[in-house]
Amino acid sequence: KQEVTQIPAALSVPEGENLVLNCSFTDSAIYNLQWFRQDPGKGLTSLLLIQSSQREQTSGRLNASLDKSSGRSTLYIAASQPGDSATYLCAVMDETSGSRLTFGEGTQLTVNP
Amino acid sequence: ETGVTQSPTHLIKTRGQQVTLRCSSQSGHNTVSWYQQALGQGPQFIFQYYREEENGRGNFPPRFSGLQFPNYSSELNVNALELDDSALYLCATKRVGTGLYGYTFGSGTRLTVV
Repeated sequence: KQEVTQIPAALSVPEGENLVLNCSFTDSAIYNLQWFRQDPGKGLTSLLLIQSSQREQTSGRLNASLDKSSGRSTLYIAASQPGDSATYLCAVMDETSGSRLTFGEGTQLTVNP
Repeated sequence: ETGVTQSPTHLIKTRGQQVTLRCSSQSGHNTVSWYQQALGQGPQFIFQYYREEENGRGNFPPRFSGLQFPNYSSELNVNALELDDSALYLCATKRVGTGLYGYTFGSGTRLTVV
């Protein structure tokens, strides 16, 4: 059974800092990994999708990497802003579970002005 | 705008009642999944539909059921509501092609059972 862990559970940083969020998964036979953002009480906004054959994806100030063999992904946020404050979730789609997503519990990020 | 619309946004029900949540997605997104997210936790997979047939189910009892319609809309039905069913319910859709496409999520329905 796939398990996804996110570290840290919460993070508070001053504006302008670069930061890294971590995600690990137990079954490396994945189709892809997706990073989401969730604002309080809201739905999920997809940030980046990395297919299993890819090593990284970039969108603006966000960069996500994937090391499938070691079961790890990182989300790098450059020059953080107060508007980046949200919960960040990673989810994997693995080969043994069909196309369902298995989520971590998220990292709650606060960027202070 | 995500292209996935859920209704209603909020709902309050009494224990033992039944509820129907709705989701509509964009054309071509013929895979729909439903997730339950309790406060402070990651979403948990309930079930998935592809071409109007259920093709995957998580660890949820049979009182959780669903439908998918030809117009890419779907429903989640929950019978005999329990207090622990209080959660944010999320609908997610994608195109066919496992691994090639990611999921698009709706804004969710916040269900409170009292």
